[in-house]
Amino acid sequence: GIQVEQSPPDLILQEGANSTLRCNFSDSVNNLQWFHQNPWGQLINLFYIPSGTKQNGRLSATTVATERYSLLYISSSQTTDSGVYFCAVERNGSGNTGKLIFGQGTTLQVKP
Amino acid sequence: SAVISQKPSRDICQRGTSLTIQCQVDSQVTMMFWYRQQPGQSLTLIATANQGSEATYESGFVIDKFPISRPNLTFSTLTVSNMSPEDSSIYLCSVEGDRNRYEQYFGPGTRLTVT
Repeated sequence: GIQVEQSPPDLILQEGANSTLRCNFSDSVNNLQWFHQNPWGQLINLFYIPSGTKQNGRLSATTVATERYSLLYISSSQTTDSGVYFCAVERNGSGNTGKLIFGQGTTLQVKP
Repeated sequence: SAVISQKPSRDICQRGTSLTIQCQVDSQVTMMFWYRQQPGQSLTLIATANQGSEATYESGFVIDKFPISRPNLTFSTLTVSNMSPEDSSIYLCSVEGDRNRYEQYFGPGTRLTVT
């Protein structure tokens, strides 16, 4: 099956700093999403981005499908950005079933 | 996006018992999914639950252990049967987006501890 690798596994930032999270995947995909799991366990959909670039406030994401990676940028980090960031994909050719394969996540801690 | 609720939000159960988790959506959706998140781990898909058909289970998950019902387009249940401590996890349901069916939105999860 498709492999999804996220880096770094852990990240500690001072409030106001910028960061880049990476997601590598081993096969072509027709679906890629970034999620944020807050400290209470709630998963928030950040981006649906199988290709291209999107921005939403301080967050932006870029997926280079031909090179099989995606990046999530967090600018001017805030303590509320703390939590786990997951990349999830569906392999191209699987029939758009919605079956997402999750990476292991990047745990982000933003210190005040 | 749809508003998704789950019941119970958390529970502590004894080994050998069963727990049924409910997932309610405020709009009609075709596809619903059940995931498991073991402590400190990522999410793993258990099954896809489409209304009007049997749930489709992923490798490593079987209907006898995780029976699923999908009686209508806004509701689903997942039962964790004959529980053991290894079943202690967060169980989450998700649904397709209403504007983009390829996006998924998650319920708040059910935190299960088996003693």
